[in-house]
Amino acid sequence: DGGITQSPKYLFRKEGQNVTLSCEQNLNHDAMYWYRQDPGQGLRLIYYSQIVNDFQKGDIAEGYSVSREKKESFPLTVTSAQKNPTAFYLCASSVPGLSFPDTQYFGPGTRLTVL
Amino acid sequence: ILNVEQSPQSLHVQEGDSTNFTCSFPSSNFYALHWYRWETAKSPEALFVMTLNGDEKKKGRISATLNTKEGYSYLYIKGSQPEDSATYLCAFIFGGNDMRFGAGTRLTVKP
Repeated sequence: DGGITQSPKYLFRKEGQNVTLSCEQNLNHDAMYWYRQDPGQGLRLIYYSQIVNDFQKGDIAEGYSVSREKKESFPLTVTSAQKNPTAFYLCASSVPGLSFPDTQYFGPGTRLTVL
Repeated sequence: ILNVEQSPQSLHVQEGDSTNFTCSFPSSNFYALHWYRWETAKSPEALFVMTLNGDEKKKGRISATLNTKEGYSYLYIKGSQPEDSATYLCAFIFGGNDMRFGAGTRLTVKP
């Protein structure tokens, strides 16, 4: 079945450690996105990529890094520079279209807790 | 900063009740509005994409309207069922290149 997978579902890390969240899609979508959700707030865009080997910062990119070496994969690294990393992280991809952004298809999310 | 507001934050209704909630957005630079449904422990799923003032979209018992001049969209659910329980997100796209999500309306339908 086509879809987006994120792993792991739950992730714990110690303060000061970097951690990488996985996002894979087999939908053949060109664009991929990372969002963060905090209680009572809307999804906030961290990074997005419209094509392989290219990505752009979203509203809250500080303390995060990404890579897009393959169309199917868009991993997100939460670095020790991110001051408040505990949150729920959602990955999404969108259908190639004439305009950006298009309807997005979401993964199940990863809940990161910093201890 | 362009904010998208959704109201109410949460809503509890009885099975069979009809309900509606609101997404408010800046009326300038409108490009599109998306509605998503996010059930607990699942991924958000797209419901509607709305682009034109006066748009009305329908999917089963759920429908949505759009007023870009005054900056709001309504989502209606007719005859709510327990399986409609979810968080409903709207996302405002402006300038063709940026998307802002509201915090969502959490709907609980009691049997």
